[in-house]
Amino acid sequence: ETGVTQSPTHLIKTRGQQVTLRCSSQSGHNTVSWYQQALGQGPQFIFQYYREEENGRGNFPPRFSGLQFPNYSSELNVNALELDDSALYLCASSRGDGYEQYFGPGTRLTVT
Amino acid sequence: AQSVTQLDSQVPVFEEAPVELRCNYSSSVSVYLFWYVQYPNQGLQLLLKYLSGSTLVESINGFEAEFNKSQTSFHLRKPSVHISDTAEYFCAVSLDDKIIFGKGTRLHILP
Repeated sequence: ETGVTQSPTHLIKTRGQQVTLRCSSQSGHNTVSWYQQALGQGPQFIFQYYREEENGRGNFPPRFSGLQFPNYSSELNVNALELDDSALYLCASSRGDGYEQYFGPGTRLTVT
Repeated sequence: AQSVTQLDSQVPVFEEAPVELRCNYSSSVSVYLFWYVQYPNQGLQLLLKYLSGSTLVESINGFEAEFNKSQTSFHLRKPSVHISDTAEYFCAVSLDDKIIFGKGTRLHILP
């Protein structure tokens, strides 16, 4: 059974640029959630995708958007990057009930 | 609104000593409770969970947590810590398919 994978591992972008982060869900899971973990903080919920539809969103601006594909993998897109977007971005997958989520290793985004 | 409070940002403890990491939550409805562990430069791993049933839940590596509804707490304990337990520990609640995390407690094992 393959776990949750994320790419890339690290990324450095300049303020104002756009970035796409990718996540492959664990086998048998149809739900993907994205979280932002700033340095020294707990993860903050960005949004969740279930069967290719957004299924809940946290307190993040519209420049944070996402997609889920028919194979349940997912992308997180961030436009007009700001310095405060520097963080570890975590993807988690789960079955439809969503109670137990399994996390990937994360993508470390640095915005300069 | 739901929230999770981890009362200690850091807990230093000597190796082989017991430890308790405190967690309180606020919610007007029933929730599911979790402890996640994050080792340095890694993602989150589920340590243990409370969904229903017995209020005492255990992990495979010696940690346990007790759900106390009257005190809205879900404290994590281990009777004897090892150097390999050095990590950040996050308490979390699940509601409407999203997880709300506390700010984390860094467990620092002293030799």
